[in-house]
Amino acid sequence: AQSVTQPDIHITVSEGASLELRCNYSYGATPYLFWYVQSPGQGLQLLLKYFSGDTLVQGIKGFEAEFKRSQSSFNLRKPSVHWSDAAEYFCAVGDHSNTGNQFYFGTGTSLTVIP
Amino acid sequence: EPEVTQTPSHQVTQMGQEVILRCVPISNHLYFYWYRQILGQKVEFLVSFYNNEISEKSEIFDDQFSVERPDGSNFTLKIRSTKLEDSAMYFCASSGTGKSSYNEQFFGPGTRLTVL
Repeated sequence: AQSVTQPDIHITVSEGASLELRCNYSYGATPYLFWYVQSPGQGLQLLLKYFSGDTLVQGIKGFEAEFKRSQSSFNLRKPSVHWSDAAEYFCAVGDHSNTGNQFYFGTGTSLTVIP
Repeated sequence: EPEVTQTPSHQVTQMGQEVILRCVPISNHLYFYWYRQILGQKVEFLVSFYNNEISEKSEIFDDQFSVERPDGSNFTLKIRSTKLEDSAMYFCASSGTGKSSYNEQFFGPGTRLTVL
């Protein structure tokens, strides 16, 4: 069955430090992978996505993610975190095996940025 | 830039009452979805809708739930008799401009439903 695991419930980093948020997925075929960010009381904003091709994908706000098939991972990275990056981050896999096209989300990682 | 909109932003209702959550997907999209997020938990898929019928639904989407596209622009989620555990943020999403292509889902800002 399709699933997404985000092992880190909460991460705290200092402003200017690098960031890596982990995401592991379980999916039978080539996955469609996404990272979304959710600020308090807000909706889900797409940071980046992977469908095929280059395994290192660039997103908005200076984020990038790398698809590693051998590790079933799609970790999100940012070289230098800004205070405005504090939010909840969700990894998702899109199920394109049927017409439903539903997304499976991880439980999220809450990011706190300290000055 | 086109976006998905949802109304209301916050809905408070009494247990047992019917609620209708409304969504306006992006105009040329063909696939529509509802998700919910109980406070502090992950976003969960409820239902997908294509060509005026449900494509897929989760176990959460029981007989108390229904979806409808009453006109060319709105996509609604109805909960017939709300329960306390229906309290959550409900997200609408839309995707796709062609049946054969898979596209990212664009999410609305959500409707927070509070059942008292």
